[in-house]
Amino acid sequence: EVQLVESGGGLVQPGGSLRLSCAASGFTFSGSAMHWVRQASGKGLEWVGRIRGKGNSYATAYAASVKGRFSFSRDDSKNTAYLQMNSLKTEDTAVYYCTPGYCSDDVCYPRFDPWGQGTLVTVSS
Amino acid sequence: QSVLTQPPSASGTPGQRVTISCSGSSSNIGSNYAYWYQQLPGTAPKLLIYSNNQRPSGVPDRFSGSKSDTSASLAISGLRSEDEADYYCAAWDDSLSGVVFGGGTKLTVL
Repeated sequence: EVQLVESGGGLVQPGGSLRLSCAASGFTFSGSAMHWVRQASGKGLEWVGRIRGKGNSYATAYAASVKGRFSFSRDDSKNTAYLQMNSLKTEDTAVYYCTPGYCSDDVCYPRFDPWGQGTLVTVSS
Repeated sequence: QSVLTQPPSASGTPGQRVTISCSGSSSNIGSNYAYWYQQLPGTAPKLLIYSNNQRPSGVPDRFSGSKSDTSASLAISGLRSEDEADYYCAAWDDSLSGVVFGGGTKLTVL
């Protein structure tokens, strides 16, 4: 059974940093692109970005709203993906989900299945 | 403002057929597959339709997807109370080089 467990969320002040983790099991993690999607309370889904696997040089892509502040990494030996969030803003407050996805060449299809339970990040003073 | 446009709400009575639209452009739905997600209250999204009209195993055939030009649609037939949820469309966008979502449609079963 495929499982994803996000952790690391919490309360942080504006301008602060936080690192989220996504522990995966039940599929070939090393060969999968890992995506992050967030959802502010009562709002819709927003793609944050993705990191590809070793075969694609761990290539990363970011949404314009987080580029330059967020970064992705992964440890294939631990089947874990990470989201490092710096210079946090109040508008980054959301539940953050990780999910595996399939990429072909430069296209990463949003066939996201399954999703983790999410971890809540609250940016507030 | 979402790149993909969905109606904010839809409704139907049990047994009815309802359709949710998703309007995009040539850089997303017009040139790539459309995907649909169901999000029940308080839960994570669940993949409902992939590659325009394919259902993952376990998704009832009451759910179907279609695509025409730059728009996609999700149809739910034989509406049931447990279908009350938020529904989101998604696609890859060639211009943005990223995934885009619709703003979501809240389905109410009357």
